[in-house]
Amino acid sequence: QSVLTQAPSASGTPGQRVTISCSGSTSNIGNNFVYWYQQLPGTAPRLLIHRNHQRPSGVPDRISGSKADTSASLAISGLRAEDEADYYCAVWDDRLRGWVFGGGTKLTVL
Amino acid sequence: QVLLQESGPGLVKPSETLSLTCNVSGASISTYFWTWIRQPAGKGLEWIGRVYNNDILNYNPSLKSRVTMSVDTSRNQFSLRLISVTAADTAIYYCARDGGDFWGQGTLVTVSS
Repeated sequence: QSVLTQAPSASGTPGQRVTISCSGSTSNIGNNFVYWYQQLPGTAPRLLIHRNHQRPSGVPDRISGSKADTSASLAISGLRAEDEADYYCAVWDDRLRGWVFGGGTKLTVL
Repeated sequence: QVLLQESGPGLVKPSETLSLTCNVSGASISTYFWTWIRQPAGKGLEWIGRVYNNDILNYNPSLKSRVTMSVDTSRNQFSLRLISVTAADTAIYYCARDGGDFWGQGTLVTVSS
């Protein structure tokens, strides 16, 4: 069972806006930066969001991140077929003294 | 551009030691934290641990008794050793820069006799 809780699945139609949530606690999300990764089948994860809402170069601005208290969210607007992937949140946990990942959310584009 | 490449045996026998190396190019191994992450087939990501210059080591509490990480500054690479492996350690192993901005392609390690 993951320290961070994500819904196992999400879906949307092309053009829609989808939000993926990540719930934690004061020892992790409540006190540290949240990171989001996209993993396409058969590939290594790719960083989408760092420090709660910062986008690395090359990540489109239709992808955004936010954090409030002990929860974080990843939003994808203008949904495309290429967005179909697994999405993971991650954060440093002060109590465990290590990184923790959410269980992942599989996004399906209908 | 920072590139990472994992190397090591793809098959390890139960009770033996898993050893992997990650070669880093485009960044100095001495300047950052470096991380190992694994992913069993069809499952999520699991952080194994991270190392900084052999000075700072943080390990996943669930694996701490079996894991050792180290840095070789002369070769600009870092390594993972996991002792007493079982079938539950079968996974794709990734090396990455801490924070996950750069990842290796991953290497499948199977634990089987």
